[in-house]
Amino acid sequence: GQQLNQSPQSMFIQEGEDVSMNCTSSSIFNTWLWYKQDPGEGPVLLIALYKAGELTSNGRLTAQFGITRKDSFLNISASIPSDVGIYFCAGDFSNFGNEKLTFGTGTRLTIIP
Amino acid sequence: DAGVIQSPRHEVTEMGQEVTLRCKPISGHDYLFWYRQTMMRGLELLIYFNNNVPIDDSGMPEDRFSAKMPNASFSTLKIQPSEPRDSAVYFCASSGTGTVDNEQFFGPGTRLTVL
Repeated sequence: GQQLNQSPQSMFIQEGEDVSMNCTSSSIFNTWLWYKQDPGEGPVLLIALYKAGELTSNGRLTAQFGITRKDSFLNISASIPSDVGIYFCAGDFSNFGNEKLTFGTGTRLTIIP
Repeated sequence: DAGVIQSPRHEVTEMGQEVTLRCKPISGHDYLFWYRQTMMRGLELLIYFNNNVPIDDSGMPEDRFSAKMPNASFSTLKIQPSEPRDSAVYFCASSGTGTVDNEQFFGPGTRLTVL
């Protein structure tokens, strides 16, 4: 099925660094979501975005809904060890993020000691 | 709420056997989704239900796969007969209708190994 283009595929950073990742699509979405998956667990919702241009924060995480509605960005400030995992973006044609999602390919974040 | 509950968490079976995966969605949610995750193909939507009715099963790989939702609090995904290439992690997710806390929430997954 269709997947969103997510970059980078992987990141190796040191604790305390800031992280940026993005997701692009050829389709326009009405909702963008960002999930994090820890090993052996299901994806956990981090942030949901509902309006083009919207900037939303959740602690050290900030995400933006691109103005064209075809992209989204996730930033993590001052990374800590528990940020390690795989981050997925997802787009939804509905307005609530509750229907059929199209997922990105994931960004694997590793923190180098 | 306990979140989405899946069972079993791990399943190891032999090729040709029937496998049944189970899911209990979050109470009050009226959408239920079944996903499969592999290294090669990432997270794929297999089928989803709304109010217990299958809406889109275009992701179901073949006739060996079937899913049911007999009531609002239970769904099954069945593979019969199973094959080694079915080995993957299968996730169930649920979501509600509305504007608050109704995005998709995932269960912990069932790791299936077919020998």
